Amino acid sequence: NAGVMQNPRHLVRRRGQEARLRCSPMKGHSHVYWYRQLPEEGLKFMVYLQKENIIDESGMPKERFSAEFPKEGPSILRIQQVVRGDSAAYFCASSPRGDGDTQYFGPGTRLTVL
Amino acid sequence: DAKTTQPPSMDCAEGRAANLPCNHSTISGNEYVYWYRQIHSQGPQYIIHGLKNNETNEMASLIITEDRKSSTLILPHATLRDTAVYFCIGNLYNFNKFYFGSGTKLNVKP
Repeated sequence: NAGVMQNPRHLVRRRGQEARLRCSPMKGHSHVYWYRQLPEEGLKFMVYLQKENIIDESGMPKERFSAEFPKEGPSILRIQQVVRGDSAAYFCASSPRGDGDTQYFGPGTRLTVL
Repeated sequence: DAKTTQPPSMDCAEGRAANLPCNHSTISGNEYVYWYRQIHSQGPQYIIHGLKNNETNEMASLIITEDRKSSTLILPHATLRDTAVYFCIGNLYNFNKFYFGSGTKLNVKP
């Protein structure tokens, strides 16, 4: 049973460009969570999604960031007009159920903004 | 979410048991205690979780005090590959965002 898949593993963007990060949950998991880890800091919750629904986006920056989890395909975290402060590791996790179920994390995408 | 308190770092000799403490004095009755670890800059790895009974799996044991105000993660025979940052997380049963604090940096030494 493959784990949570994230791609790309490394992404380099110039300031002002768009970054798209993809997450494929574990088989049978319909709940996806995104976390961000800034350099030398802990993981911070960003958003929680179920298929086609955003359940909790309380950790998402108000501008430039969006997330989706379509009926078919991976979850996407989109960052528009990236700035240097967006440089971080972005981790996706999935669980079979919500309600505080165990979350299983992917390897992360390391975004570098030049 | 219950706030948790962990020592910033601990050392352990290879082959010995590593006992990592966590205080969660504000935990509520239906709030689970989860343990994860992060090796280097990899994605957090789930270790174990419990509510009020002690738990054991192939990776570790979790001992929760009777009043549930603290717990201890036990790695019975630590190896160099167990060097990582260990996070203790208090999680409400119906609350979906995990709060990762600073964790404990475990250094396993030969």
